Amino acid sequence: SSELTQDPAVSVALGRTVRITCQGDSLRSYYASWYQQRPGQAPILVIYAKNNRPSGIPDRFSGSGSGNTASLTITGAQAEDEADYYCNSRDSSGNHVVFGGGTKLTVL
Amino acid sequence: ELQLVESGGGLVQPGRSLRLSCVASGFNFEDYAMHWVRQAPGKGLEWVSGISWISDSIVYADSVKGRFTISRDNAKKSLYLQMNSLRAEDMALYFCAKGDTILIGNSFDIWGQGTMVTVSS
Repeated sequence: SSELTQDPAVSVALGRTVRITCQGDSLRSYYASWYQQRPGQAPILVIYAKNNRPSGIPDRFSGSGSGNTASLTITGAQAEDEADYYCNSRDSSGNHVVFGGGTKLTVL
Repeated sequence: ELQLVESGGGLVQPGRSLRLSCVASGFNFEDYAMHWVRQAPGKGLEWVSGISWISDSIVYADSVKGRFTISRDNAKKSLYLQMNSLRAEDMALYFCAKGDTILIGNSFDIWGQGTMVTVSS
């Protein structure tokens, strides 16, 4: 079982804002990163170190965190944002990397 | 173009071994930690192992510790995963991923397309 917990599925209307959350005790000590994975494709880093966007990632993607929860927010969701989203961080020991179970985002 | 290309996957019987390779291009391979991440069919991502830039720090998921060995050859810009005593639950698409620092962290900014490992008799 994962030490990071994500809701299995979330939906959002086209153009609206959606927040995807990731919970775990290790998030009190370590930053989360977020990945987007479209069907049949490799994951893409969309947020790192809590709230930084790699080059080429649209600014509608943002990250935040407080306590044991990290969040990925998509402001003005687009059809191409429909994908699986995964958070990751260190585990409680700090020695390993752990992924959340993933959230399937549907854009209606 | 920044690129990672995995190879070495295939069909293998339970208990046998397989060696995966990943070749990097478009960036200074020797300046970054590297990782293996796997994804079983229809399942989520699972981190497998990570190695620092000069191999002085190596870590494994508990599920593979003692059976898998990660290594790298900076001169060849290559990452490897030696997988021994393979089990049915090791069947997955194995991704090679680039870390964003010399040390093992949790931001993977470049991913390969993966190589499939099938464990079956």
